[in-house]
Amino acid sequence: EIVLTQSPGTLSLSPGERATLSCRASQSVSSSYLAWYQQKPGQAPRLLIYGASSRATGIPDRFSGSGSGTDFTLTISRLEPEDFAVYYCQQYGSSPLFGGGTKVEIK
Amino acid sequence: QVTLKESGPALVKPTQTLTLTCTFSGFSLSTPGMRMSWIRQPPGEALEWLARIDWDDDKLYSTSLKTRLTISKDTSKNQVVLTMTNMDPVDTATYYCARMPIAVAGAFDIWGQGTMVTVSS
Repeated sequence: EIVLTQSPGTLSLSPGERATLSCRASQSVSSSYLAWYQQKPGQAPRLLIYGASSRATGIPDRFSGSGSGTDFTLTISRLEPEDFAVYYCQQYGSSPLFGGGTKVEIK
Repeated sequence: QVTLKESGPALVKPTQTLTLTCTFSGFSLSTPGMRMSWIRQPPGEALEWLARIDWDDDKLYSTSLKTRLTISKDTSKNQVVLTMTNMDPVDTATYYCARMPIAVAGAFDIWGQGTMVTVSS
């Protein structure tokens, strides 16, 4: 069974800085089936990226996804105050699976 | 506007069966390629996918929980129902339903607000 490992567990950054989040799969994942979500406290997750690099409807262009095979990256080019949250990657192979999450916190 | 809303008991006792309903609007689960899933999240923990049902009534379950789960749909009522048997305190979590349209291939584009379920005697 595939395992998704997200790193780092916590990322401490200041508004305006660049955030780079990693999602590593234990075996190769189709890029078509890799997604990223943002979750704020007390809220449901929100889809940011699907197909590894396609932004979902209404998602600002400061969010971008890249990667293939076993290594995927979510980049937030310049952190806005509303971007401090937990981020999850998800793959859809034989069945959906989520990573453990990366918390982006204010430094 | 697409909306999803989960409903069900906030508290269940150990060994009881949990029944959750997701009522949705703004789309049809009869549309070819449309899928719906249930996902849960224990307090302070990561997301865990539970089950999926497709427009053609095909179903898929989490390998680790499949013996306890049943997912079904009522297209006329725009509802998806999840039952989970033999509830245990470790099943305490927020339970979400989410839409999986074929256009975002395997991703969950719209989520309900979630419903918190506590398992305790």
